[in-house]
Amino acid sequence: EDQVTQSPEALRLQEGESSSLNCSYTVSGLRGLFWYRQDPGKGPEFLFTLYSAGEEKEKERLKATLTKKESFLHITAPKPEDSATYLCAVQSSGYSTLTFGKGTMLLVSP
Amino acid sequence: EPEVTQTPSHQVTQMGQEVILRCVPISNHLYFYWYRQILGQKVEFLVSFYNNEISEKSEIFDDQFSVERPDGSNFTLKIRSTKLEDSAMYFCASRGGNRGSGSPLHFGNGTRLTVT
Repeated sequence: EDQVTQSPEALRLQEGESSSLNCSYTVSGLRGLFWYRQDPGKGPEFLFTLYSAGEEKEKERLKATLTKKESFLHITAPKPEDSATYLCAVQSSGYSTLTFGKGTMLLVSP
Repeated sequence: EPEVTQTPSHQVTQMGQEVILRCVPISNHLYFYWYRQILGQKVEFLVSFYNNEISEKSEIFDDQFSVERPDGSNFTLKIRSTKLEDSAMYFCASRGGNRGSGSPLHFGNGTRLTVT
């Protein structure tokens, strides 16, 4: 059974204070690891897909990296508008569904 | 940018009643999904649908649930006899590409179902 564990559960940063979110996973065969952003009362919004260890993707202040056991979402100089819950999900070979972690709730204070 | 739309945004129903949640997936997508999120918990897979049939389903998706694509644009989730524990946010998602492509799911903003 695929498992995804995210840490920390919650993170409070000052504006401009860089940090990283962690996603540890176990999966029978990784087809893809996905990062989503979820605002309160909204659906998950797609950010990145990573397919193989060593891969990196960037978008504005966010950078996602992948190893064989975990992924990191690095947030550089965050702004208050980056406040959201960040979800990690895995897709295993042979399936099209996603297994999600519980998410990291990020709060960036001005 | 094309998006997945869901209606209604909030549905209140009494225990034992039937509800139908509606979704319009992104127009050129062929794979459709329902997920749910109970307050404070993780997003959980319910069912996936392709080529007019269910392709995968979870243990949560029991006989009280059904899905349908009644026409070329809508995708629905029916809950036959709602229970208190069905109260959750229900998300529809769609995906392009082929089965093995690893393309991302795109989610709607959900229907909040409250069972009283």
